[in-house]
Amino acid sequence: QSALTQPPSASGSPGQSVTISCTGTSSDIGGYNYVSWYQRHPGKAPKVMVYGVNKRPSGVPDRFSGSKSGNTASLTVSGLRAEDEADYYCSSYAGGSNLLFGGGTKLTVL
Amino acid sequence: EVQLVESGGGLVKPGGSLRLSCAASGFTFSKAWMTWVRQAPGKGLEWVGRIRSKTNGGTPDYAAPVKGRFTISREDSENTLYLQMDNLKSDDTAVYYCATEGYVYGFHAVDTWGQGTLVTVSS
Repeated sequence: QSALTQPPSASGSPGQSVTISCTGTSSDIGGYNYVSWYQRHPGKAPKVMVYGVNKRPSGVPDRFSGSKSGNTASLTVSGLRAEDEADYYCSSYAGGSNLLFGGGTKLTVL
Repeated sequence: EVQLVESGGGLVKPGGSLRLSCAASGFTFSKAWMTWVRQAPGKGLEWVGRIRSKTNGGTPDYAAPVKGRFTISREDSENTLYLQMDNLKSDDTAVYYCATEGYVYGFHAVDTWGQGTLVTVSS
Protein backbone atom coordinates (compact mmCIF):
# COMPACT_ATOMS: atom_id res chain seq x y z
CA GLN A 1 0.00 0.00 0.00
CA SER A 2 1.25 3.47 -0.87
CA ALA A 3 1.53 6.33 1.54
CA LEU A 4 -1.21 8.92 1.63
CA THR A 5 -0.54 11.95 -0.56
CA GLN A 6 -0.03 15.37 1.00
CA PRO A 7 1.30 18.56 -0.58
CA PRO A 8 4.90 19.08 0.56
CA SER A 9 4.24 22.66 1.58
CA ALA A 10 1.50 25.14 2.45
CA SER A 11 1.60 28.71 3.62
CA GLY A 12 -0.52 31.59 4.79
CA SER A 13 -0.28 34.93 6.52
CA PRO A 14 -1.25 35.44 10.16
CA GLY A 15 -5.03 35.47 10.52
CA GLN A 16 -5.64 33.68 7.26
CA SER A 17 -6.95 30.15 6.79
CA VAL A 18 -5.07 27.33 5.14
CA THR A 19 -6.25 23.84 4.21
CA ILE A 20 -3.98 20.83 3.91
CA SER A 21 -5.22 17.87 1.91
CA CYS A 22 -4.52 14.18 2.36
CA THR A 23 -5.49 11.95 -0.53
CA GLY A 24 -5.87 8.19 -0.34
CA THR A 25 -8.13 5.58 -1.86
CA SER A 26 -11.42 3.86 -1.17
CA SER A 27 -9.40 1.24 0.73
CA ASP A 28 -8.18 3.67 3.34
CA ILE A 29 -9.51 7.21 3.75
CA GLY A 30 -12.63 6.53 1.73
CA GLY A 31 -13.41 3.31 3.53
CA TYR A 32 -13.02 4.23 7.18
CA ASN A 33 -13.55 7.15 9.54
CA TYR A 34 -10.19 6.67 11.20
CA VAL A 35 -8.31 9.69 9.88
CA SER A 36 -5.99 11.55 12.23
CA TRP A 37 -3.82 14.63 11.88
CA TYR A 38 -0.58 15.30 13.73
CA GLN A 39 1.45 18.43 14.29
CA ARG A 40 5.17 18.23 14.78
CA HIS A 41 7.49 21.06 15.67
CA PRO A 42 11.22 20.54 15.06
CA GLY A 43 12.76 18.32 17.66
CA LYS A 44 9.42 17.53 19.26
CA ALA A 45 7.23 14.45 19.24
CA PRO A 46 4.13 14.54 17.02
CA LYS A 47 0.92 15.74 18.68
CA VAL A 48 -2.60 14.68 17.74
CA MET A 49 -4.60 17.63 16.44
CA VAL A 50 -7.58 15.75 14.98
CA TYR A 51 -8.74 12.16 15.25
CA GLY A 52 -11.72 10.24 13.93
CA VAL A 53 -11.81 12.58 10.90
CA ASN A 54 -13.13 15.62 12.75
CA LYS A 55 -12.72 15.22 16.51
CA ARG A 56 -10.44 17.53 18.42
CA PRO A 57 -8.58 16.54 21.60
CA SER A 58 -9.14 18.77 24.56
CA GLY A 59 -6.62 21.55 24.55
CA VAL A 60 -6.38 21.77 20.78
CA PRO A 61 -7.68 25.17 19.61
CA ASP A 62 -10.92 25.14 17.64
CA ARG A 63 -8.97 26.89 14.90
CA PHE A 64 -8.03 23.37 13.83
CA SER A 65 -10.72 21.36 12.09
CA GLY A 66 -10.81 18.15 10.09
CA SER A 67 -13.10 16.88 7.38
CA LYS A 68 -13.35 14.20 4.73
CA SER A 69 -14.90 13.95 1.31
CA GLY A 70 -14.60 10.71 -0.59
CA ASN A 71 -10.97 9.61 -0.59
CA THR A 72 -9.58 12.95 0.56
CA ALA A 73 -9.27 14.24 4.09
CA SER A 74 -8.49 17.84 4.95
CA LEU A 75 -7.11 19.79 7.87
CA THR A 76 -8.07 23.45 8.02
CA VAL A 77 -6.22 25.89 10.23
CA SER A 78 -8.12 29.14 10.67
CA GLY A 79 -6.79 32.37 12.10
CA LEU A 80 -3.19 31.33 11.44
CA ARG A 81 -0.71 32.11 14.20
CA ALA A 82 3.06 31.99 14.21
CA GLU A 83 3.07 28.98 16.50
CA ASP A 84 1.12 26.97 13.92
CA GLU A 85 4.25 26.78 11.76
CA ALA A 86 5.15 23.10 11.85
CA ASP A 87 5.01 19.87 9.89
CA TYR A 88 1.61 18.22 9.63
CA TYR A 89 0.96 14.55 8.92
CA CYS A 90 -2.23 12.65 8.25
CA SER A 91 -2.89 8.99 8.94
CA SER A 92 -5.67 6.57 8.10
CA TYR A 93 -6.59 3.02 8.90
CA ALA A 94 -6.20 1.04 5.68
CA GLY A 95 -7.88 -2.26 6.44
CA GLY A 96 -6.11 -5.53 7.07
CA SER A 97 -4.82 -4.06 10.32
CA ASN A 98 -2.66 -1.60 8.38
CA LEU A 99 -2.12 2.05 9.17
CA LEU A 100 -0.95 4.54 6.55
CA PHE A 101 0.67 7.92 6.98
CA GLY A 102 1.03 10.83 4.62
CA GLY A 103 4.35 12.23 3.53
CA GLY A 104 3.88 15.38 5.57
CA THR A 105 3.20 19.04 4.80
CA LYS A 106 5.41 21.86 5.99
CA LEU A 107 3.18 24.78 6.99
CA THR A 108 4.82 28.17 6.85
CA VAL A 109 3.29 31.24 8.44
CA LEU A 110 4.44 34.16 6.32
CA GLU B 1 2.41 12.33 32.76
CA VAL B 2 2.56 9.81 29.93
CA GLN B 3 6.14 9.13 28.96
CA LEU B 4 7.67 6.85 26.35
CA VAL B 5 11.44 6.52 26.12
CA GLU B 6 13.05 4.56 23.31
CA SER B 7 16.53 3.10 23.46
CA GLY B 8 18.73 0.66 21.61
CA GLY B 9 19.32 2.48 18.37
CA GLY B 10 22.70 2.64 16.70
CA LEU B 11 24.79 1.69 13.71
CA VAL B 12 24.43 -1.83 12.33
CA LYS B 13 25.67 -3.53 9.17
CA PRO B 14 23.26 -4.79 6.51
CA GLY B 15 21.99 -8.21 7.46
CA GLY B 16 22.54 -7.50 11.14
CA SER B 17 20.12 -7.35 14.04
CA LEU B 18 19.12 -4.78 16.63
CA ARG B 19 16.60 -4.71 19.44
CA LEU B 20 14.85 -1.49 20.39
CA SER B 21 13.19 -0.97 23.75
CA CYS B 22 10.53 1.49 24.82
CA ALA B 23 10.04 2.20 28.52
CA ALA B 24 6.55 3.40 29.34
CA SER B 25 5.27 5.29 32.36
CA GLY B 26 2.36 7.45 33.43
CA PHE B 27 -0.41 5.19 32.13
CA THR B 28 -1.67 1.61 32.38
CA PHE B 29 0.72 0.03 29.90
CA SER B 30 -0.96 -3.38 30.00
CA LYS B 31 -4.18 -1.91 28.64
CA ALA B 32 -2.57 -0.05 25.76
CA TRP B 33 -2.13 -1.08 22.17
CA MET B 34 1.41 -0.08 21.31
CA THR B 35 2.74 0.81 17.91
CA TRP B 36 6.06 1.53 16.21
CA VAL B 37 6.42 4.25 13.59
CA ARG B 38 9.59 5.21 11.74
CA GLN B 39 10.82 8.11 9.70
CA ALA B 40 13.61 7.72 7.20
CA PRO B 41 15.81 10.74 6.46
CA GLY B 42 13.88 13.24 4.35
CA LYS B 43 10.82 11.02 4.21
CA GLY B 44 7.41 10.93 5.85
CA LEU B 45 6.20 8.80 8.71
CA GLU B 46 5.78 5.08 8.11
CA TRP B 47 3.86 2.67 10.32
CA VAL B 48 5.99 -0.34 11.23
CA GLY B 49 3.63 -2.43 13.32
CA ARG B 50 1.65 -2.75 16.52
CA ILE B 51 0.91 -5.13 19.34
CA ARG B 52 -2.47 -5.38 20.99
CA SER B 53 -3.06 -5.49 24.70
CA LYS B 54 -3.21 -8.94 26.26
CA THR B 55 -6.94 -8.51 26.84
CA ASN B 56 -7.29 -8.07 23.09
CA GLY B 57 -5.17 -11.11 22.34
CA GLY B 58 -1.70 -9.58 22.55
CA THR B 59 -1.20 -10.25 18.84
CA PRO B 60 1.07 -8.21 16.56
CA ASP B 61 0.52 -6.75 13.11
CA TYR B 62 3.28 -5.69 10.73
CA ALA B 63 3.64 -3.48 7.72
CA ALA B 64 4.53 -5.35 4.54
CA PRO B 65 8.14 -4.03 4.28
CA VAL B 66 9.10 -5.47 7.67
CA LYS B 67 6.94 -8.57 7.91
CA GLY B 68 9.05 -11.64 8.53
CA ARG B 69 12.07 -9.58 9.65
CA PHE B 70 10.77 -7.55 12.59
CA THR B 71 9.12 -8.85 15.76
CA ILE B 72 7.16 -6.74 18.22
CA SER B 73 6.75 -7.97 21.79
CA ARG B 74 5.82 -6.56 25.16
CA GLU B 75 6.59 -7.22 28.80
CA ASP B 76 3.71 -5.78 30.77
CA SER B 77 5.32 -6.56 34.13
CA GLU B 78 8.14 -4.19 33.16
CA ASN B 79 6.05 -1.67 31.20
CA THR B 80 8.33 -2.21 28.24
CA LEU B 81 7.77 -2.59 24.50
CA TYR B 82 10.31 -4.20 22.20
CA LEU B 83 11.11 -4.20 18.50
CA GLN B 84 13.45 -6.97 17.38
CA MET B 85 14.84 -6.14 13.96
CA ASP B 86 16.61 -8.87 11.99
CA ASN B 87 18.11 -9.02 8.49
CA LEU B 88 18.31 -5.24 8.46
CA LYS B 89 18.51 -3.39 5.15
CA SER B 90 19.71 0.09 4.29
CA ASP B 91 16.07 1.05 3.72
CA ASP B 92 15.45 0.44 7.42
CA THR B 93 17.61 3.45 8.31
CA ALA B 94 15.26 5.75 10.20
CA VAL B 95 14.29 7.26 13.51
CA TYR B 96 12.03 4.76 15.25
CA TYR B 97 9.24 5.99 17.51
CA CYS B 98 7.14 4.00 19.92
CA ALA B 99 3.66 5.24 20.62
CA THR B 100 0.30 4.33 22.06
CA GLU B 101 -2.45 3.62 19.55
CA GLY B 102 -6.09 4.23 20.33
CA TYR B 103 -5.45 4.54 24.06
CA VAL B 104 -6.74 8.07 24.40
CA TYR B 105 -8.31 9.13 21.14
CA GLY B 106 -9.97 6.04 19.74
CA PHE B 107 -9.17 3.45 17.17
CA HIS B 108 -6.04 3.91 15.13
CA ALA B 109 -5.12 7.36 16.41
CA VAL B 110 -1.48 7.34 17.44
CA ASP B 111 -1.97 9.17 20.71
CA THR B 112 1.32 9.66 22.49
CA TRP B 113 4.77 9.41 20.98
CA GLY B 114 8.25 8.94 22.30
CA GLN B 115 11.17 11.07 21.16
CA GLY B 116 12.57 8.37 18.92
CA THR B 117 15.82 6.45 18.51
CA LEU B 118 18.00 6.48 15.40
CA VAL B 119 18.82 3.27 13.59
CA THR B 120 21.44 3.46 10.85
CA VAL B 121 22.03 0.46 8.61
CA SER B 122 25.28 0.87 6.75
CA SER B 123 28.42 -1.05 5.96
